[in-house]
Amino acid sequence: GAGVSQTPSNKVTEKGKYVELRCDPISGHTALYWYRQSLGQGPEFLIYFQGTGAADDSGLPNDRFFAVRPEGSVSTLKIQRTERGDSAVYLCASSPHPGTEAFFGQGTRLTVV
Amino acid sequence: GESVGLHLPTLSVQEGDNSIINCAYSNSASDYFIWYKQESGKGPQFIIDIRSNMDKRQGQRVTVLLNKTVKHLSLQIAATQPGDSAVYFCAGGATGTASKLTFGTGTRLQVTL
Repeated sequence: GAGVSQTPSNKVTEKGKYVELRCDPISGHTALYWYRQSLGQGPEFLIYFQGTGAADDSGLPNDRFFAVRPEGSVSTLKIQRTERGDSAVYLCASSPHPGTEAFFGQGTRLTVV
Repeated sequence: GESVGLHLPTLSVQEGDNSIINCAYSNSASDYFIWYKQESGKGPQFIIDIRSNMDKRQGQRVTVLLNKTVKHLSLQIAATQPGDSAVYFCAGGATGTASKLTFGTGTRLQVTL
């Protein structure tokens, strides 16, 4: 596609449930990033993939959060045992190479009730 | 660690005037900076970037200035238009951390007619 695509655009889930958020990066971009944005705040780094491997997962808040990119393209962010504090917009970005401009998707708004 | 902040949370500018949005950073290792524009309900949109070996870079109606001595950068928008109304974020990163960007909290630009 022309840009980074994220699905779903909105997700409402009950506390304690498991959710998966999907990101389709721009074709050919090797670097992929996940960020989380709370209301009124700037995006906060979660994890970075270079190809299939997670090169930096230092931003993941705890072990309930996990992300994969098995074929070096599509990535899935997985959240177990969701908590109300996980409610935020989850943004995915990709770039042709690390250290170059990153292009963001429109985000997935996650609401945990 | 890295922190990136903005001086003003809201900036109101009359249509046609020039806008200047400021940003400060704390990490001397930061060598790559990006300005993003974010409209309501959308992901951040890349505007312009600058590397630490430059002190000025110009795009279409936008100029970014970087002052490494005082760890400050600014975004100048010429002839501000109603479509420029959005939240603007500066983000900084260091080459060694593979573009893990640290975002500020943002400045809301309001363009009045």
